[in-house]
Amino acid sequence: TAGITQAPTSQILAAGRSMTLRCTQDMRHNAMYWYRQDLGLGLRLIHYSNTAGTTGKGEVPDGYSVSRANTDDFPLTLASAVPSQTSVYFCASSDSTANTGELFFGEGSRLTVL
Amino acid sequence: GQNIDQPTEMTATEGAIVQINCTYQTSGFNGLFWYQQHAGEAPTFLSYNVLDGLEEKGRFSSFLSRSKGYSYLLLKELQMKDSASYLCAVMDSNYQLIWGAGTKLIIKP
Repeated sequence: TAGITQAPTSQILAAGRSMTLRCTQDMRHNAMYWYRQDLGLGLRLIHYSNTAGTTGKGEVPDGYSVSRANTDDFPLTLASAVPSQTSVYFCASSDSTANTGELFFGEGSRLTVL
Repeated sequence: GQNIDQPTEMTATEGAIVQINCTYQTSGFNGLFWYQQHAGEAPTFLSYNVLDGLEEKGRFSSFLSRSKGYSYLLLKELQMKDSASYLCAVMDSNYQLIWGAGTKLIIKP
């Protein structure tokens, strides 16, 4: 089972350009999340989706947008990248009906904005 | 505000025992999680505590005291592969996860 797949693994992007980070899961989990991880800080939630067709803003949503057209896919778009968006981005999913609410993470996408 | 505190870095010896502490102040409580993250990799789930007490899972145990806003992760019989960051996270009253910055554990031979 693949679990969660993210693409690309890493990317260097010029400031002002747009970029979409892709995330696909094959576990049929209803909830999906995008986090960013920066040195010295905890994971910070950017956007989430509790079920296909719905999305919500997390702690740091500015400059990012998401869509959830179906259960499996949850792309994250940076419309006009800025250097402060340089980070490692993790997509995650969970079965919200499960007792523990365990998150399953993708391998991450390292984005550098110059 | 909501806050999760854990030490930035700890060092321990192979074969020994180490305890990683986590204290939290959150708006409500719906469970505490520990995740392991090796350098350059994704976090992976270790444990979940929602009631007070100790949960044991092999060499790893996790303890929770809700009245004290405190948890610890206990790692026994340390192995070199346990060198990683350990992330503490609390689910608040809105079922959102609040994450600590992680504790980098260095294991020395």
